[in-house]
Order: sequence, then structure tokens, then C-alpha cells
Amino acid sequence: GNSVTQMEGPVTLSEEAFLTINCTYTATGYPSLFWYVQYPGEGLQLLLKATKADDKGSNKGFEATYRKETTSFHLEKGSVQVSDSAVYFCALNLLTGGGNKLTFGTGTQLKVEL
Amino acid sequence: DTGVSQDPRHKITKRGQNVTFRCDPISEHNRLYWYRQTLGQGPEFLTYFQNEAQLEKSRLLSDRFSAERPKGSFSTLEIQRTEQGDSAMYLCASSLATSTGELFFGEGSRLTVL
Repeated sequence: GNSVTQMEGPVTLSEEAFLTINCTYTATGYPSLFWYVQYPGEGLQLLLKATKADDKGSNKGFEATYRKETTSFHLEKGSVQVSDSAVYFCALNLLTGGGNKLTFGTGTQLKVEL
Repeated sequence: DTGVSQDPRHKITKRGQNVTFRCDPISEHNRLYWYRQTLGQGPEFLTYFQNEAQLEKSRLLSDRFSAERPKGSFSTLEIQRTEQGDSAMYLCASSLATSTGELFFGEGSRLTVL
């Protein structure tokens, strides 16, 4: 079956530190890959996406590259801010049979301290 | 606010009671999804609608669960004879049919079954 594995949290960083959150996937086809973010008290929202191998998704200083050879989609940011504190979910979508049935990882909580 | 709204935000009920959640999607979105999220886990797909038609249901959706979208606008998710294992956050999301994985999520309805 399809699955997403994320590094466990919480991840605690100082402001301006470099962030990496690892994500690997297992899928029977060629999925699109996503990072969703959930800020405290808010619903999940799309952070970035990549639809094919070697694509790089980017938004708000975050980046992730679709690596088919390693089945990975690691999230990176060069300098985190306190406002980046949230839970980050990696997800995949196979787009088979219609619909957008995302398969999510378990989420990684990020805490950024001054 | 034109985002996805869910009601109620919190529901505490006794085992065996029925509960109903409502979701109002973004008005121009013709697809509506229900997901369930338990503590420490990512969201899991339950079902989705295109307009008023329920196109797919997950095996997670037992026969005690029923979802409707009678006029292709708002949707309801009813759980009959609730069990303690139903305690979770129920998330609603919507999208355009042309979306390739960008879902817009509500803040969720948290169910606690005592």
C-alpha cells in the first residue's frame, strides 16, 4: 500500500537555525508529493508541492525536492523563525480513480525558540 | 471569512449516542472530503463527494458512519451509536475537481466519547 514516513518530533531549534524534516514514501505509482502545515488553532494548509521527479516545491522560504531514486521529499528552510512553529505533514496523492485521497505522514512538530 | 467551516468545533458525548457534524466548504469547490485524525497521527481519508455524489468511502467508514451532501453544498457526517474509539478530530476539506492535491481544510470538529 501507499505510506509516508516522517521523522518524529518534536524538533526544537533556535531562531535562524537550519531546518530539515525528513520524509520518505512508498507508493505503487508515481505520486504527487506535498507538505502541509498546521499552525496552532488553525486548519491544515498547503505549504508546497511537487508533481514529478526532480521538481522542487518552494514557499515562504521552505523547499523540498522530489527525489524518485530515494523516494524522499525532505523539507528544508535555511533560517527558521519563531512564527514557523507548527506541525508539518508530508503527504502523497496518486490521483488514481479521481479524487484527492491524500495519504499523510504522522506529522512533525517544530518548535522554534528565541 | 470564505474558508471551510465546521460545526461544532467540540462535541462531548456518551457512548451509544449519535452525533452529527456539519461542514460548509468553499462555495465554488465541487469536491468535499472527510478525514479523521487521532492524536499523534496524520489525517486519514474517510470519504469524498463530487457535488452531491459520494464517490468513494474508505474501509475506515463503518456502517455506523454516514455522510451526505444533499444539495452539493454543505455536508454532514453522522456517527451512530458512538464508541470510545470514535474519539478523534474530524476534518473537512474542499477542492476544485481540477485540483491535483491542494485541499483546503477546516479547523476540524473534535469528538470525545465518554
